[in-house]
Amino acid sequence: DAGVTQSPTHLIKTRGQQVTLRCSPKSGHDTVSWYQQALGQGPQFIFQYYEEEERQRGNFPDRFSGHQFPNYSSELNVNALLLGDSALYLCASSDRTVLNEKLFFGSGTQLSVL
Amino acid sequence: AQTVTQSQPEMSVQEAETVTLSCTYDTSESDYYLFWYKQPPSRQMILVIRQEAYKQQNATENRFSVNFQKAAKSFSLKISDSQLGDAAMYFCAYRSTTSGTYKYIFGTGTRLKVLA
Repeated sequence: DAGVTQSPTHLIKTRGQQVTLRCSPKSGHDTVSWYQQALGQGPQFIFQYYEEEERQRGNFPDRFSGHQFPNYSSELNVNALLLGDSALYLCASSDRTVLNEKLFFGSGTQLSVL
Repeated sequence: AQTVTQSQPEMSVQEAETVTLSCTYDTSESDYYLFWYKQPPSRQMILVIRQEAYKQQNATENRFSVNFQKAAKSFSLKISDSQLGDAAMYFCAYRSTTSGTYKYIFGTGTRLKVLA
């Protein structure tokens, strides 16, 4: 049973560019969350997707957008990249039908903005 | 707004010994979940242990146990019989049970070193 998979594992972009990160949830999971983890910090919540809709958003600008597909996979898009967007981006999935649902994380995409 | 604080940036423990990692949080809610996650060099966050605030009994998972002090808003993790594989970053996290709230709030982490 594959866990949460993310691609790519590493990415280098320049300021002003746009980037798309991808996530496939754990088998059987229908909910995907995205977190940004800056160097030396804990993960910060970006948003969560369920039934192809964003159902909660953290304190991130509109440059951060997402999408969830019918197969529950998800994309995170970041426009007009800034140096401060350099971070590890973690995807987490869960099954909301399970009592006491738990988050399962992927290994992340390390984004470097030059 | 809720906050989670981990005041120990780094801790060391001798193999086979016991270590306690500290976490405090701030909230006005009465019901919530608390977690400890482990992040090894592979970067994948792994759930170590979970505590429901309404439960007075402290959670345990094999060598891992917590000391949950609700009134003090303290949630420490005890690792017994430490192993080399326990070396990692450990994050304390909070999640509200309020309807429509799904985000986890993480602390800044504690790096645990295990000495052979």
